[in-house]
Amino acid sequence: SQQGEEDPQALSIQEGENATMNCSYKTSINNLQWYRQNSGRGLVHLILIRSNEREKHSGRLRVTLDTSKKSSSLLITASRAADTASYFCATVRGSNYKLTFGKGTLLTVNP
Amino acid sequence: EAGVVQSPRYKIIEKKQPVAFWCNPISGHNTLYWYRQNLGQGPELLIRYENEEAVDDSQLPKDRFSAERLKGVDSTLKIQPAELGDSAVYLCASSLPARGRTSASEGYTFGSGTRLTVV
Repeated sequence: SQQGEEDPQALSIQEGENATMNCSYKTSINNLQWYRQNSGRGLVHLILIRSNEREKHSGRLRVTLDTSKKSSSLLITASRAADTASYFCATVRGSNYKLTFGKGTLLTVNP
Repeated sequence: EAGVVQSPRYKIIEKKQPVAFWCNPISGHNTLYWYRQNLGQGPELLIRYENEEAVDDSQLPKDRFSAERLKGVDSTLKIQPAELGDSAVYLCASSLPARGRTSASEGYTFGSGTRLTVV
């Protein structure tokens, strides 16, 4: 069963704009991770945020985590056509290190 | 470093036939996962190995699916016999050992997957 739920399911923006994707989950977590998947390819790890962290940055990526609302957001600033991909959030519960994925957000960045 | 290597990239088989997928994880990554991703969905865990031990196979349909990880390195996932509903992308991932880590400080590395089509 899938723990996370991304919102929106699909997002289309122009190059240079910012893209925000949200993720909600159901149970308490150890950490939350964001992955990118280009069409027909495997998943690439983008960023991990622990349950005791509220915000993390990595280049053009900014992730926030609100454990009281059981939600996270991924912001991609100054988007590029190469950012076109599906983005998944995945949660890790307890100490078993199993990743549970949401259904993903399909981001299209138009040149 | 080659990353997680999977083969084949694509496989088309008729229903009721057997099929096998192979995965070579990153050197030193003792934890290995097999995930299945249906079209338009996120990946779902089938089985997790710590070295050669399957520590979580609760999601593996054991009537037709089997997996092994001899010597704690390469792994194979087998389906016998395949059904139409098994069409999906099968992803392998690896990570540093869970035991001994005080926190999950790294993400997992995924292979490119095997796209299975059962006709």
